[in-house]
Amino acid sequence: RKEVEQDPGPFNVPEGATVAFNCTYSNSASQSFFWYRQDCRKEPKLLMSVYSSGNEDGRFTAQLNRASQYISLLIRDSKLSDSATYLCVVNPIQGGKLIFGQGTELSVKP
Amino acid sequence: EAGVVQSPRYKIIEKKQPVAFWCNPISGHNTLYWYLQNLGQGPELLIRYENEEAVDDSQLPKDRFSAERLKGVDSTLKIQPAELGDSAVYLCASSSRGQGSSGANVLTFGAGSRLTVL
Repeated sequence: RKEVEQDPGPFNVPEGATVAFNCTYSNSASQSFFWYRQDCRKEPKLLMSVYSSGNEDGRFTAQLNRASQYISLLIRDSKLSDSATYLCVVNPIQGGKLIFGQGTELSVKP
Repeated sequence: EAGVVQSPRYKIIEKKQPVAFWCNPISGHNTLYWYLQNLGQGPELLIRYENEEAVDDSQLPKDRFSAERLKGVDSTLKIQPAELGDSAVYLCASSSRGQGSSGANVLTFGAGSRLTVL
């Protein structure tokens, strides 16, 4: 089993749609969690951290379920500019290396 | 503030040739990472430095890959000899402790070095 697994993509949605990505992790002692965004042929960039109580940043909502060992990312009112690959990232131990999922590709169509 | 700088951006070599990549992290970031990213996959850690010390190189194929960060600032990653399967994007990232939740590292990546081995 991979340490971090994401929904296989791609997700093709129309503008204005709501889309959700899920990610599971294997190490129950994992300390911190993030979502990164990667545009085509670009480097990954931090989208948002994921906090235990859940957190929201504009149209983006991240949630953590420690009991089931998964995190999610919800995008509301999708824009064309949201088209990218979304990477789930887990830090198994505090201050240690970050482990990336394989990414879920999102394509938002007009 | 300058970001993480990598060079070269693109490199095409024949198999069995050597290749080297260079990375200059964000000023003041004491943690430096080299990741490898294959098409359609997430980045995979090759090596992590805390200042000049390699604290995690368990995923670095040491028979052909080497890395150094002599003065705890910039770093080089070398492959010798390169194989066809080494074709990938080599990403360098840096971080400063305490930026994220629980004191975890938040990474800033460079643009990457895309290697093609023929």
